[in-house]
Amino acid sequence: NAGVTQTPKFRILKIGQSMTLQCTQDMNHNYMYWYRQDPGMGLKLIYYSVGAGITDKGEVPNGYNVSRSTTEDFPLRLELAAPSQTSVYFCASSYETPYEQYFGPGTRLTVT
Amino acid sequence: QKEVEQDPGPLSVPEGAIVSLNCTYSNSAFQYFMWYRQYSRKGPELLMYTYSSGNKEDGRFTAQVDKSSKYISLFIRDSQPSDSATYLCAMEGGNYKLTFGKGTLLTVNP
Repeated sequence: NAGVTQTPKFRILKIGQSMTLQCTQDMNHNYMYWYRQDPGMGLKLIYYSVGAGITDKGEVPNGYNVSRSTTEDFPLRLELAAPSQTSVYFCASSYETPYEQYFGPGTRLTVT
Repeated sequence: QKEVEQDPGPLSVPEGAIVSLNCTYSNSAFQYFMWYRQYSRKGPELLMYTYSSGNKEDGRFTAQVDKSSKYISLFIRDSQPSDSATYLCAMEGGNYKLTFGKGTLLTVNP
């Protein structure tokens, strides 16, 4: 099993550009999550999903959108990128509970 | 008052030392308590989780939860250089969402 995979690993965006961060898991997990981690800070939840077709906002959803059309994939869309979205983004998944989450390797995003 | 407080360190100890990492919290609804380890430029990995109060041991790692004091701890016995990482506490209160501490950076010196 590959676990949770994220692409791309690194990306530099210009202000106002858009992009999609990809996340895929092959563990047949129901729950999936997107977090951002800023230097010296903990992980902040952006969006989460408890199953295909079901998504909900986390703590810091502004400027982001998600969709969950399959169990495996949970892409995160950034519209109109801003410097405040410079961060490391982690995708995570868990089977039936939120407290055994498996994390991907992260995407380092810089907006300039 | 922040929901979860964690001393960011850094904490530097010699190899073989017993390490104590701690978090305090304010939300009484938290029932599940987790410790994640994050190596530099990697994703967090779950070390262990505990439900409600009590202790849980896994090899050299012991997690303790004291709900009456809203205080959780992770102890690492016989610490090794490979334990050098950032340790994140996290908590869940029944709404599918985890609240993380900011993490403590630990260095174990050979």
